[in-house]
Amino acid sequence: DGGITQSPKYLFRKEGQNVTLSCEQNLNHDAMYWYRQDPGQGLRLIYYSQIVNDFQKGDIAEGYSVSREKKESFPLTVTSAQKNPTAFYLCASSLTSGYQETQYFGPGTRLLVL
Amino acid sequence: AQKVTQAQTEISVVEKEDVTLDCVYETRDTTYYLFWYKQPPSGELVFLIRRNSFDEQNEISGRYSWNFQKSTSSFNFTITASQVVDSAVYFCALRIRSGTYKYIFGTGTRLKVLA
Repeated sequence: DGGITQSPKYLFRKEGQNVTLSCEQNLNHDAMYWYRQDPGQGLRLIYYSQIVNDFQKGDIAEGYSVSREKKESFPLTVTSAQKNPTAFYLCASSLTSGYQETQYFGPGTRLLVL
Repeated sequence: AQKVTQAQTEISVVEKEDVTLDCVYETRDTTYYLFWYKQPPSGELVFLIRRNSFDEQNEISGRYSWNFQKSTSSFNFTITASQVVDSAVYFCALRIRSGTYKYIFGTGTRLKVLA
């Protein structure tokens, strides 16, 4: 089955700790995205990548880092510099060419601070 | 600049009622794509529909229908004979054809369907 997987489903972070959220897709999509969603709020773009080894900051990149070493994978690291990391994190992917571009989402990771 | 406005924060209806979710977008691009997503309590966003700017045909899929009007920059979503399972947050999104591959999301409309 083609799709997007995110792990873990729940993640707990201690003060001062860096944590990494995993996102993998087997849809052969070029572009991948990370969004943050706070309770009762919309989606805010953290980072996105249109091609391997390249990525751009979104609207709220401070305190986060990403890498795109493989087409299938786009991990997000929440660093200790992110002072309020408690949120729901959604990964998405899409094609970047043609008129059938549509963004598809993974199941999300809920990050909680201990 | 691009923008998507979903003015309805929350809507409550009784089961079997029809309900329309509004979406108004702003863009200067002539080629763009519009989307609707459903976010059930589980959290995952589920893709519902995609519309290209050059295709103004309305679409119906079962109880769901979409009304795309370029003249008013609107892409409204109607659920006919609503059911409790329709309770979710619905997001409208815009992607322009040129430039970056960013998607612009509205703030979402929470729909509550009461039994």
